[in-house]
Amino acid sequence: GDSVTQTEGQVALSEEDFLTIHCNYSASGYPALFWYVQYPGEGPQFLFRASRDKEKGSSRGFEATYDKGTTSFHLRKASVQESDSAVYYCALAHSNNRIFFGDGTQLVVKP
Amino acid sequence: NSKVIQTPRYLVKGQGQKAKMRCIPEKGHPVVFWYQQNKNNEFKFLINFQNQEVLQQIDMTEKRFSAECPSNSPCSLEIQSSEAGDSALYLCASSLQFSNERLFFGHGTKLSVL
Repeated sequence: GDSVTQTEGQVALSEEDFLTIHCNYSASGYPALFWYVQYPGEGPQFLFRASRDKEKGSSRGFEATYDKGTTSFHLRKASVQESDSAVYYCALAHSNNRIFFGDGTQLVVKP
Repeated sequence: NSKVIQTPRYLVKGQGQKAKMRCIPEKGHPVVFWYQQNKNNEFKFLINFQNQEVLQQIDMTEKRFSAECPSNSPCSLEIQSSEAGDSALYLCASSLQFSNERLFFGHGTKLSVL
């Protein structure tokens, strides 16, 4: 079945560090891929999506590129800020199917 | 600010009690999802609707939960007989269409079953 794997449970960085959160997926065809962010006490918020091979999604300085060859959609940001501290979720959706979420990656950014 | 409104924010019940939560989806969104998020941040899909019709649900939902999305009224999710393992954050989300579309989430209802 469809699934999403986020390898890092937690990432700890200092401000202005480069961020990578890994996301790999398992699905047939070309599912839509998403990144969501969840701050404490809130529901997840949509960051961006991509639905074709080599398509790049981006928002608020975050970006990820759909890679069908490596079945990946890694989240990157060049320079993180303390306000980026949150839980980040990679997700996958197929036509006529429910959305599958990864287990989330807790990002902690120290000032 | 989330335009999906969930009430109540917090719900405390004893084991065996009914627990009911409500969701008003974003205006114009015909598709509604309910997810359960546990303390490890893992999402479990419960049920989804398109307009008033149930599209998909898991076994647990079918057996122990009651959910509906009547027209012109909030959607609701009710646990018929709460168990300790039901303690979680219940998230409602809506979207414009069923497939491949971004979800708009509410703040969630945090259920504690004592």
